[in-house]
Amino acid sequence: EPEVTQTPSHQVTQMGQEVILRCVPISNHLYFYWYRQILGQKVEFLVSFYNNEISEKSEIFDDQFSVERPDGSNFTLKIRSTKLEDSAMYFCASSRLGTVNYGYTFGSGTRLTVV
Amino acid sequence: GQQVMQIPQYQHVQEGEDFTTYCNSSTTLSNIQWYKQRPGGHPVFLIQLVKSGEVKKQKRLTFQFGEAKKNSSLHITATQTTDVGTYFCAGPATNAGGTSYGKLTFGQGTILTVHP
Repeated sequence: EPEVTQTPSHQVTQMGQEVILRCVPISNHLYFYWYRQILGQKVEFLVSFYNNEISEKSEIFDDQFSVERPDGSNFTLKIRSTKLEDSAMYFCASSRLGTVNYGYTFGSGTRLTVV
Repeated sequence: GQQVMQIPQYQHVQEGEDFTTYCNSSTTLSNIQWYKQRPGGHPVFLIQLVKSGEVKKQKRLTFQFGEAKKNSSLHITATQTTDVGTYFCAGPATNAGGTSYGKLTFGQGTILTVHP
């Protein structure tokens, strides 16, 4: 079964530092997403990406966040200057169609801890 | 904005008992999806319902989509310890221009604990 791969599984960073979270979506999927989940809380949408550009983003996804698909396989989320409240599990997901007819495939996540 | 609510927040059952979680959206949904997240894991897609009144079954799991397409339920018959986890419903988020492609609004989930 195809998987969405995320690295690293755990990242600890100091407040104010930049972090890059990496994802390799399923190869024949066209829509890519980042979600986050603060411990014990619900899954929150950050951004969707299609055809090499952002198709939608949430209020959480401010100027400190950016996404990129640099080489046709990787999909990255960058946080420029991390804050304590950025500590969360970050999930990458991909789907074949943006109409979500097939559901998302989520990666196993990166646990980001900002200290 | 769109709200998706789930009840109950927690459910503790003895193995063999049934379990139901309910999902309600503040807006009409074009479809609803259900995901399961094991402790320490990631959400795993279970099913999507599209039609009004639709009922789908996966072994011991029964999923329903309400007639008004604003609510849904997941029922598990005779729970097993492998059913432990958080069950989320999720629907396409809507904006002023209509349904947003790709963006899902998740409910807060129901945490299921099964005692052997």
